[in-house]
Amino acid sequence: DAKTTQPPSMDCAEGRAANLPCNHSTISGNEYVYWYRQIHSQGPQYIIHGLKNNETNEMASLIITEDRKSSTLILPHATLRDTAVYYCIVRVQGAQKLVFGQGTRLTINP
Amino acid sequence: NAGVMQNPRHLVRRRGQEARLRCSPMKGHSHVYWYRQLPEEGLKFMVYLQKENIIDESGMPKERFSAEFPKEGPSILRIQQVVRGDSAAYFCASSLPLRGGWVVNEQFFGPGTRLTVL
Repeated sequence: DAKTTQPPSMDCAEGRAANLPCNHSTISGNEYVYWYRQIHSQGPQYIIHGLKNNETNEMASLIITEDRKSSTLILPHATLRDTAVYYCIVRVQGAQKLVFGQGTRLTINP
Repeated sequence: NAGVMQNPRHLVRRRGQEARLRCSPMKGHSHVYWYRQLPEEGLKFMVYLQKENIIDESGMPKERFSAEFPKEGPSILRIQQVVRGDSAAYFCASSLPLRGGWVVNEQFFGPGTRLTVL
């Protein structure tokens, strides 16, 4: 699976949009971009995934650049409960295991 | 629909004892994964199982660790002769089988078992 690079930490004000970047410059054509988050001491939670089109669900939006070498996870109206470590994972089609990096520790401030 | 269940949530063992961690997947899920998270580190894949079969154990330590997912009952991660370095949070995840060739099987995680070895 391709390696991803994320900033180690970010801060965001409550109510504002949180934009979390991820670089995956070595991604190949059959690799998907997945996002999970881990709220303190809990199990990771699936957020969203995409291949090349932008995706949106009830939790977040995923914007993937045209060359697919980077992506941004957007939490449109961050709340204090969104404070967590966010993991960007690139995963080949059909692969089973998830390879977690260090992620981005997002802190939402009141 | 209940989520992935793990028990116990906390487990304390002395060095040399055995630890058994149990995982009940979500209803309808036949694939189970185990991950380990050492203190202040990210999650590391350990093993992937389907009913009665180990599919990928590339992340399992070569000794003392074993996993099973019997036809009936929960998946079990077993650690024999525990050492202090085994202290960690162990997370189980489950997923549906793949449909065709598409990666649509997001994994759903349990709350974890925190193992402390004294």
